[in-house]
Amino acid sequence: DVKVTQSSRYLVKRTGEKVFLECVQDMDHENMFWYRQDPGLGLRLIYFSYDVKMKEKGDIPEGYSVSREKKERFSLILESASTNQTSMYLCASSPRTGMGNTYGYTFGSGTRLTVV
Amino acid sequence: AQSVTQLGSHVSVSEGALVLLRCNYSSSVPPYLFWYVQYPNQGLQLLLKYTTGATLVKGINGFEAEFKKSETSFHLTKPSAHMSDAAEYFCAVSAGYSSASKIIFGSGTRLSIRP
Repeated sequence: DVKVTQSSRYLVKRTGEKVFLECVQDMDHENMFWYRQDPGLGLRLIYFSYDVKMKEKGDIPEGYSVSREKKERFSLILESASTNQTSMYLCASSPRTGMGNTYGYTFGSGTRLTVV
Repeated sequence: AQSVTQLGSHVSVSEGALVLLRCNYSSSVPPYLFWYVQYPNQGLQLLLKYTTGATLVKGINGFEAEFKKSETSFHLTKPSAHMSDAAEYFCAVSAGYSSASKIIFGSGTRLSIRP
């Protein structure tokens, strides 16, 4: 069964800490994505990557960075966590499908991060 | 630019009743359309998708959706609701013709099932 695995389901961190959220996929997908999900705001794209060492800003990149050193792993980094970054974080992947995404995304189970 | 509008942030139906979740899209190119379901504290799971061909698409758990180009709609239906269908549902559209195409999600519709 194909999988996107997020390292933690629940995480509690203190304000100002550096936080790493890890995502690993076993499907050899080129594209990987990080979203945050908040009530009433839906899914908002933070960053995505379409190849190793490549990254693109999404709609809300401020306060975040990413790393993709290997094809299967895409890390989201909160440089200095703040309480407004308390959220559900979702990782997703998809293959490179040519023109347009006909595959859709495969999502991880999510990491619920609380910053206190 | 592509966009998705889901009509109704919350829909409540009785067990055994018809489920209808509405989705309208905007796209400057022929769209690829998706419905996802999210159960509490889980990630999103693909229910069904439309890419090309037959406009009535069948998915998992008895759900189906019909692509209507003239109405720019992709509504999700299920003939008879079950308690286990209670979840949040997201309509989505593939954004444009790019090999790194992102998917644009609607804001979601929470489906509640009354006993």
